[in-house]
Amino acid sequence: KAGVTQTPRYLIKTRGQQVTLSCSPISGHRSVSWYQQTPGQGLQFLFEYFSETQRNKGNFPGRFSGRQFSNSRSEMNVSTLELGDSALYLCASFEWTYGYTFGSGTRLTVV
Amino acid sequence: GENVEQHPSTLSVQEGDSAVIKCTYSDSASNYFPWYKQELGKGPQLIIDIRSNVGEKKDQRIAVTLNKTAKHFSLHITETQPEDSAVYFCAATISNFGNEKLTFGTGTRLTIIP
Repeated sequence: KAGVTQTPRYLIKTRGQQVTLSCSPISGHRSVSWYQQTPGQGLQFLFEYFSETQRNKGNFPGRFSGRQFSNSRSEMNVSTLELGDSALYLCASFEWTYGYTFGSGTRLTVV
Repeated sequence: GENVEQHPSTLSVQEGDSAVIKCTYSDSASNYFPWYKQELGKGPQLIIDIRSNVGEKKDQRIAVTLNKTAKHFSLHITETQPEDSAVYFCAATISNFGNEKLTFGTGTRLTIIP
């Protein structure tokens, strides 16, 4: 089975811009969650989607949003980028037997 | 909410020796405890997990123990090899069909000395 695919792998954006990251979960997995990883804050939960519905949300400002499509692919969007949004954004797909499987992440740099 | 503490933050062991990483959690309702290995430039990889109805689980050189009363769980790696060098994260959650959020520890950088 193919793993979790995240695109793009690297991204450089300017403050104030917006960005969209994409995640394709493992085939058959319907739950997709997003995490932000930074040296200072570690791994923090952003949100989780199942069957196109957001079921859980972390403590991030409204500039962070996401959605899930009928094929389970998910996107997350960050508007009005700030320098502090520079991070590795990780997507994970979930299946009860195998737990959470993470992608390689998208490295976002805001300049 | 849940809080997970992880120790030590760095650990160096001689190749062939054992390594132990410990985590404590705060929410007694947590019932799922995965461990992840993260190598440079990659996402976290699940290496072993344990649910609260089990006290210990082993997979070849890797084992995890759980003490629900004390609210702590530990990762044990025996016969360490250079490829075990990585950052290891513990996590805890109240498992409920995937809509839960994982709360991660701060990570342990494990270095295996040849």
